[in-house]
Amino acid sequence: GENVEQHPSTLSVQEGDSAVIKCTYSDSASNYFPWYKQELGKRPQLIIDIRSNVGEKKDQRIAVTLNKTAKHFSLHITETQPEDSAVYFCAANPSYIPTFGRGTSLIVHP
Amino acid sequence: GAVVSQHPSWVICKSGTSVKIECRSLDFQATTMFWYRQFPKQSLMLMATSNEGSKATYEQGVEKDKFLINHASLTLSTLTVTSAHPEDSSFYICSAPEAYGVVTEAFFGQGTRLTVV
Repeated sequence: GENVEQHPSTLSVQEGDSAVIKCTYSDSASNYFPWYKQELGKRPQLIIDIRSNVGEKKDQRIAVTLNKTAKHFSLHITETQPEDSAVYFCAANPSYIPTFGRGTSLIVHP
Repeated sequence: GAVVSQHPSWVICKSGTSVKIECRSLDFQATTMFWYRQFPKQSLMLMATSNEGSKATYEQGVEKDKFLINHASLTLSTLTVTSAHPEDSSFYICSAPEAYGVVTEAFFGQGTRLTVV
């Protein structure tokens, strides 16, 4: 089955800095890579996703890059704000069952 | 996007009692739903896949007699934690996939915080 590794587990940045979270996957059949943001005690919310036929996607301050050859994808958040503080999960979908990374706790200090 | 509703959002129960958690897809039909358990500061651990009209598929290490899953309709799956114990206290989240062309997106319920005392 699919195996997703996510790093780092914790990321602390100053407001205005950039944050990068990286994930690797094992199943070359995975074709969809969503990123979720989860605030404490709440449900994960999809923030951005990328399909395997695209190398990069951007939505305002958030961007995701995908390297299919190396089987890794990354989340980039620019100009971080305190409200970006949350746990972020990457996922890889080889089928209809997503496999989640272990999560990254992002802390943005004002 | 699609909406998945989960109830209750929190529940406190006594040891030995059973608790039922409902997961509903409000604006789409879900023949499959997933149940996850999440410990503090940890990732989503898939417990089981709920299949409409058939038996659920449980992940290794998850007791099927402990966590009863019923998926009686295309919009409702239930998870019943039987004979609950304090170690069952956790955050339980359901999700339902909906296909958009070649990709399948997961939509999550609000989650249920279960505390067993």
